[in-house]
Amino acid sequence: DTEVTQTPKHLVMGMTNKKSLKCEQHMGHRAMYWYKQKAKKPPELMFVYSYEKLSINESVPSRFSPECPNSSLLNLHLHALQPEDSALYLCASSQLGAGDTQYFGPGTRLTVL
Amino acid sequence: KNEVEQSPQNLTAQEGEFITINCSYSVGISALHWLQQHPGGGIVSLFMLSSGKKKHGRLIATINIQEKHSSLHITASHPRDSAVYICAAAQGAQKLVFGQGTRLTINP
Repeated sequence: DTEVTQTPKHLVMGMTNKKSLKCEQHMGHRAMYWYKQKAKKPPELMFVYSYEKLSINESVPSRFSPECPNSSLLNLHLHALQPEDSALYLCASSQLGAGDTQYFGPGTRLTVL
Repeated sequence: KNEVEQSPQNLTAQEGEFITINCSYSVGISALHWLQQHPGGGIVSLFMLSSGKKKHGRLIATINIQEKHSSLHITASHPRDSAVYICAAAQGAQKLVFGQGTRLTINP
């Protein structure tokens, strides 16, 4: 199984809502990533988890809160987002780190009203 | 100046043409990735290179570590190759630095 799954596929939320994005992989990968991608731009790294511990936070606003409950699961909790946070949120995983092939999920397309 | 530069930004070609996309990087890297993204968002990893050359079907990727340059070639291009191609440099143990992408359109 070389698949990274993400739910939901689409999410529309108001600025006062709290929602969560979910990412799952069963490849035994120990590195997991959250990326944000705006239209016609490359992905921007948000967070990296290595062995279930947060290892990189690219100065992401605190309204985005990542969580890695176990080695297969990665969540991104959203609270009090702004319309400019509307984007495609991609999850990825790799064996150990950036020197390994990254497997991307299909993404969650988020719209903040 | 971006740490990873791709050229061209846009490329339109006819079916059957040989395609080359270039990537130059200014950072020290442990590996260079080539990714493909189709409309709708899904990203697929095509190659991960640390030296030399790799081939998969009609796709060939090369890297010259001394010159800090990599190329992605597509032979006998087909309309289904139309996508955005992104190179990404593995900087340090855990971070990828992305180029801006090359939007490729292959016309039948």
